[in-house]
Amino acid sequence: AQSVTQPDIHITVSEGASLELRCNYSYGATPYLFWYVQSPGQGLQLLLKYFSGDTLVQGIKGFEAEFKRSQSSFNLRKPSVHWSDAAEYFCAVVEKTSYDKVIFGPGTSLSVIP
Amino acid sequence: KAGVTQTPRYLIKTRGQQVTLSCSPISGHRSVSWYQQTPGQGLQFLFEYFSETQRNKGNFPGRFSGRQFSNSRSEMNVSTLELGDSALYLCASSLVGDPDTGELFFGEGSRLTVL
Repeated sequence: AQSVTQPDIHITVSEGASLELRCNYSYGATPYLFWYVQSPGQGLQLLLKYFSGDTLVQGIKGFEAEFKRSQSSFNLRKPSVHWSDAAEYFCAVVEKTSYDKVIFGPGTSLSVIP
Repeated sequence: KAGVTQTPRYLIKTRGQQVTLSCSPISGHRSVSWYQQTPGQGLQFLFEYFSETQRNKGNFPGRFSGRQFSNSRSEMNVSTLELGDSALYLCASSLVGDPDTGELFFGEGSRLTVL
């Protein structure tokens, strides 16, 4: 079965600093990879996705992620963090069985210091 | 276009009771997935429905069940509630097939507290 790990449970950054959230996956073929964000009291929102092609993908809110097959990673980055980016971030992969199933990582909680 | 609507948003039940949660997907979305979110276990997949058929099921006991209606609205039911069932239950709707594969649209969730 496919799985997703996010090594960092919690990260704190200063506003204006750069951000990188780590994600590793286990999957035999080319995976379908996603980053979702959950603000307090809200459901999840898709930030970006990777299916194939260019390994650097751009998302909403100024986020980008890079797929590295050799490292089985799909790290999320943002050059300058805003206070409103404080949220829970989930990496996800589609498990390609008979029907697609989205499997989420454990999440990384981001705090932003003003 | 209206988003995914979940009702009720909050509810409190006691052990042994049962609960039914409702989810109205985005218009045109025929796939509805349910997830349980807890601080300890994170986001756990419950099941997915498409065209009134359960296509995928997670590793939850039979007390957790669901169904989907012809208008794609979905309900999930938990019987004989246990304290450990306290969680945020999230519903997500989606289109099926590339390029929409894996793109889930979530509701705000139903927060269940079991006393």
